[in-house]
Amino acid sequence: SQELEQSPQSLIVQEGKNLTINCTSSKTLYGLYWYKQKYGEGLIFLMMLQKGGEEKSHEKITAKLDEKKQQSSLHITASQPSHAGIYLCGADSQAGTALIFGKGTTLSVSS
Amino acid sequence: GAGVSQTPSNKVTEKGKYVELRCDPISGHTALYWYRQSLGQGPEFLIYFQGTGAADDSGLPNDRFFAVRPEGSVSTLKIQRTERGDSAVYLCASSLTGLNSPLHFGNGTRLTVT
Repeated sequence: SQELEQSPQSLIVQEGKNLTINCTSSKTLYGLYWYKQKYGEGLIFLMMLQKGGEEKSHEKITAKLDEKKQQSSLHITASQPSHAGIYLCGADSQAGTALIFGKGTTLSVSS
Repeated sequence: GAGVSQTPSNKVTEKGKYVELRCDPISGHTALYWYRQSLGQGPEFLIYFQGTGAADDSGLPNDRFFAVRPEGSVSTLKIQRTERGDSAVYLCASSLTGLNSPLHFGNGTRLTVT
């Protein structure tokens, strides 16, 4: 069965610093989705990547999918306290199937 | 516009009791998903509806769990003879088509079985 590994499990950065979170699959992915979750709340959709080598940005967050479509990274530039939360990657291996998720990366930003 | 709505937000029940969790998806979304999330874990897939039918129920842990979506909109997750191990946050999500469209999640129902 497909599994998604996220690293690191948790991360503490100083405000203003850059950071990267990784998501790796043992199988080729059909689509890769990044979500953010705050404690006690649902998941907020950030970005969707489907093509090998694809890169998308929104404000200070950039997500990339490698050419083999097995690894994705989420990069935050000049982190702010508002970026704190749990970042989850989700993926499907076939079109029209439900997403499976990694365990998440907990990000704390100290001011 | 309204997002995915889940009720109740919290449910405490005794072991052995029956519970129903409700999900109101975004209007017009044909695909609806149920996930379960335990502390420190990512969401675990339970069941996926396309319209009124269950397209994939492979994630339901056993026959105590059942879900319906009779009119292709609201869905109810039903758990019989609850066990303490069923305690978790149950998340519902919907997407426009279920194909190449992102999932939009509700805030979840926190179920505690005592």
